[in-house]
Amino acid sequence: GENVEQHPSTLSVQEGDSAVIKCTYSDSASNYFPWYKQELGKRPQLIIDIRSNVGEKKDQRIAVTLNKTAKHFSLHITETQPEDSAVYFCAASKSDMRFGAGTRLTVKP
Amino acid sequence: EAQVTQNPRYLITVTGKKLTVTCSQNMNHEYMSWYRQDPGLGLRQIYYSMNVEVTDKGDVPEGYKVSRKEKRNFPLILESPSPNQTSLYFCASTRDRRDEQFFGPGTRLTVL
Repeated sequence: GENVEQHPSTLSVQEGDSAVIKCTYSDSASNYFPWYKQELGKRPQLIIDIRSNVGEKKDQRIAVTLNKTAKHFSLHITETQPEDSAVYFCAASKSDMRFGAGTRLTVKP
Repeated sequence: EAQVTQNPRYLITVTGKKLTVTCSQNMNHEYMSWYRQDPGLGLRQIYYSMNVEVTDKGDVPEGYKVSRKEKRNFPLILESPSPNQTSLYFCASTRDRRDEQFFGPGTRLTVL
């Protein structure tokens, strides 16, 4: 089955810096790659997603890139703010949905 | 209001005592899933359903059962709970598996 690996597990940045989280997947048939943000004690919420026919997608300060050949995709957050502090999960989907283990991002004021 | 609801939100039970966690959505979504969340392991899919009467195993189905008799409901059944099923459980629904999933508020289960 699909295996999704996510790095780093923790990331600390200064407010205003950029943050990058990387994921790799194993099943080349996976064709949908969402990113979810989970604040402490809350449910996960989608922040951005990308489908396999697209290489890059951007939404304000958030962007995702997909390299199908290398089977990896990345989340980029620019101009980080303290409210970006949360756990971020990547996922890959074919029919089922496999999530990475998560990255705890801390943005220091 | 569009939402996914789960009940109960918190449950403490004992080994072997059958329990059901209910999940309901009011968005007419086709696809529903159950996940468990454990520290350091992220979200792991237990079962998913692409439509009424259609269910499939996810990554960690052992010890769980589900049913999808109606589009809006997708209960999770633990016939004989064990301590290793102590976890935070999330139900989720989506219009299409390649679309945003809407998560319920979570059910924190402790099996003693």
